[in-house]
Amino acid sequence: GDSVTQMEGPVTLSEEAFLTINCTYTATGYPSLFWYVQYPGEGLQLLLKATKADDKGSNKGFEATYRKETTSFHLEKGSVQVSDSAVYFCALSGGSQGNLIFGKGTKLSVKP
Amino acid sequence: NAGVTQTPKFQVLKTGQSMTLQCAQDMNHEYMSWYRQDPGMGLRLIHYSVGAGITDQGEVPNGYNVSRSTTEDFPLRLLSAAPSQTSVYFCASTPRRATGELFFGEGSRLTVL
Repeated sequence: GDSVTQMEGPVTLSEEAFLTINCTYTATGYPSLFWYVQYPGEGLQLLLKATKADDKGSNKGFEATYRKETTSFHLEKGSVQVSDSAVYFCALSGGSQGNLIFGKGTKLSVKP
Repeated sequence: NAGVTQTPKFQVLKTGQSMTLQCAQDMNHEYMSWYRQDPGMGLRLIHYSVGAGITDQGEVPNGYNVSRSTTEDFPLRLLSAAPSQTSVYFCASTPRRATGELFFGEGSRLTVL
């Protein structure tokens, strides 16, 4: 079945460092891909999305490109801030039930 | 704008007790769902509904019941709580099932002793 694999965390970075969180997927058909972010004590919220191959989603300085040839959707940010500390989830839609399938999440901690 | 509201935020139960987690949304979304979040497991779908009167099972439905009598409300019932149901539960909604842009509540943390 469809699945999402994210890099294991936690990831600890210094402020202004470059961030990459790897995400790969397995899916039949052509799913949409998403990154969700969960700040401490809150629910998940959509960070960015891409609906077809080669699309680039971007928001708040974060970017991810839908790579069909490598089945990847890696999240990047050029310069992280302490306020980016959160758990990041990669997800895909278009499974057999049409629901979202989430990765296990990657916790990011940014130190000043 | 309230969005998706979950109650209670915290609950402690004893094994065998029953309870209902409430979820309400004021955005007139057709699609609603319940997820549970466990360490190292990500989010797993419990039940979902594509509209009033229609519900279906997700990945981990055992031990949970749902109903959808109105568009706004989607309660999750634990019939006989077990320690394995200790988790954080999230309700989510979306205007259309296929968009993937879920709007989440703040979560309900349940501990079963």
